[in-house]
Amino acid sequence: AQKITQTQPGMFVQEKEAVTLDCTYDTSDPSYGLFWYKQPSSGEMIFLIYQGSYDQQNATEGRYSLNFQKARKSANLVISASQLGDSAMYFCAMREGPRETSGSRLTFGEGTQLTVNP
Amino acid sequence: GAGVSQSPSNKVTEKGKDVELRCDPISGHTALYWYRQSLGQGLEFLIYFQGNSAPDKSGLPSDRFSAERTGGSVSTLTIQRTQQEDSAVYLCASSLLPGLAGGWAKNIQYFGAGTRLSVL
Repeated sequence: AQKITQTQPGMFVQEKEAVTLDCTYDTSDPSYGLFWYKQPSSGEMIFLIYQGSYDQQNATEGRYSLNFQKARKSANLVISASQLGDSAMYFCAMREGPRETSGSRLTFGEGTQLTVNP
Repeated sequence: GAGVSQSPSNKVTEKGKDVELRCDPISGHTALYWYRQSLGQGLEFLIYFQGNSAPDKSGLPSDRFSAERTGGSVSTLTIQRTQQEDSAVYLCASSLLPGLAGGWAKNIQYFGAGTRLSVL
């Protein structure tokens, strides 16, 4: 079974508008972290934002926010005021296990290709 | 350097040849990870280093793949007798060693730009 599901292969948004990229996950571990990365055409994976499973508030980082709905096992990325430079592939990833333990791999979704139109 | 550095950025090789891919992590990052990104398989974990030891090698696809890390810093991923299915982008990431302090921020993996391997 897929641990991370990103159901939107491609998304389009107008410049300056907000966009939501969906991510659902599957784990039986009560402790986990969720991460979003951006991969522009240059290929480098750029960390954007994270959310711990026990965090009470949704994470925010500049124009990025994470809509974390634990009961629904979803962790959607919201990008406000889209810019042309936001055009890229976006990956949702999960790390299972307590945050204090080391060495847990990231499991990635298939990604969503976001295109920002002028 | 400021970020994770990988070399070479591109590598073209002939089937059957051996290749070495290098990763230089962020200074002070104890944990180092190798992933592979290919069209058919998405992003796959290969191996994890804590210091110079590799507690998790479970993602290595075959015994043709090996990796080492020396001095708790630079890591080399070696692929012997390359096959066409090894063609992919190989990504390296590093992170701090998680602990009781620092929360999830210590788990953030920072990636290099990758090595694009093409096996002809």
